[in-house]
Amino acid sequence: AQTVTQSQPEMSVQEAETVTLSCTYDTSESNYYLFWYKQPPSRQMILVIRQEAYKQQNATENRFSVNFQKAAKSFSLKISDSQLGDTAMYFCAFMSWIQGAQKLVFGQGTRLTINP
Amino acid sequence: DAGVTQSPTHLIKTRGQQVTLRCSPKSGHDTVSWYQQALGQGPQFIFQYYEEEERQRGNFPDRFSGHQFPNYSSELNVNALLLGDSALYLCASSRGGEWSYNEQFFGPGTRLTVL
Repeated sequence: AQTVTQSQPEMSVQEAETVTLSCTYDTSESNYYLFWYKQPPSRQMILVIRQEAYKQQNATENRFSVNFQKAAKSFSLKISDSQLGDTAMYFCAFMSWIQGAQKLVFGQGTRLTINP
Repeated sequence: DAGVTQSPTHLIKTRGQQVTLRCSPKSGHDTVSWYQQALGQGPQFIFQYYEEEERQRGNFPDRFSGHQFPNYSSELNVNALLLGDSALYLCASSRGGEWSYNEQFFGPGTRLTVL
């Protein structure tokens, strides 16, 4: 079974700083996707960034980038020039296929606070 | 496009009662997945519906059941409620292609409190 571990329950940084959230996962599969989702107090789960396991190049989306280390099964999220609106719960998630159907497995989350 | 919608927003029930939660998928989506998110935890997969059938199920008891309608909307039913069923229930919709990546879009969730 796949597992996802986020070892930082809470993090706090000043506005405009750079912050890195950690995630490790465990799987025996070779074809999978990894995600970072953001869940603000409004509860809506929003996809931040996606990484395909077969791609060696790390994904980037504006101020968000990942460090994907496949051999180490590590998938960290870096937020540059952090903004107050980045305050939220962040979840790392793993997706693979079972009998053709997608299944998402989430980590426990990291509560990120951006201070003014 | 209204996105994924869920109803009701909040719900309070007592132990032993039954509850039905509803989800309307994003336009063009035919697959609905349900997740349970306990307070302070990550979401856990309950089950997925595609073409009106349960395609996959997580580690949840039979008290949790669902249904998908011809218009792709879905219901989650929980019988014999326990205090531990108190959680945020999230619905996510996607296109249903097998063995291909299709982004799941989440609704705002239904907060269920069992007293």
